[in-house]
Amino acid sequence: EAQVTQNPRYLITVTGKKLTVTCSQNMNHEYMSWYRQDPGLGLRQIYYSMNVEVTDKGDVPEGYKVSRKEKRNFPLILESPSPNQTSLYFCASSLWPSVTDTQYFGPGTRLTVL
Amino acid sequence: EDKVVQSPLSLVVHEGDTVTLNCSYEVTNFRSLLWYKQEKKAPTFLFMLTSSGIEKKSGRLSSILDKKELFSILNITATQTGDSAVYLCAVVSIEGGSEKLVFGKGTKLTVNP
Repeated sequence: EAQVTQNPRYLITVTGKKLTVTCSQNMNHEYMSWYRQDPGLGLRQIYYSMNVEVTDKGDVPEGYKVSRKEKRNFPLILESPSPNQTSLYFCASSLWPSVTDTQYFGPGTRLTVL
Repeated sequence: EDKVVQSPLSLVVHEGDTVTLNCSYEVTNFRSLLWYKQEKKAPTFLFMLTSSGIEKKSGRLSSILDKKELFSILNITATQTGDSAVYLCAVVSIEGGSEKLVFGKGTKLTVNP
């Protein structure tokens, strides 16, 4: 089954404790992306990657890191989380956003930083 | 700065009504416009639009793009309670050789029986 998986699905942590949210897709997609969704602000792109070893900043990259060492995985790293990073995070993948008409979203990770 | 604005932000209708959701955009290098439906989970894809004036249709939903006036509309006819969701518009733009997505804040549609 074609899917994007994220782990963990829910996480409560404390300020400053490094964490990683994993994202994996099984569709051999080139393009992967991370978003955060906050009430009243919609979905905002954090980072995206056109292919292995190629990553670019989206609209809200501050406080986040990513890596793309393999095509299927695109982890999101918060080196020193802060309360303003409390949000719902989605990972997504597609061939390319405009070449294909489907971007597959993961189920979301709800992160709370105390 | 790239911008996508959706209107209205929320809408309440009765079953059977027809609704029109709007999406206007300002981006430097437009590639395509996407519509998604989001219920209480991850967004699901509805349409991708790249050319002006060509309507995309799927059942009771349809959408069209106007690249001259920089907007798109999503129409839903004969609405049902199952259409209640947040509808998201996103624009793909080219930046430095990469493809970037910018989402609007969404329109929350509530369909009452």
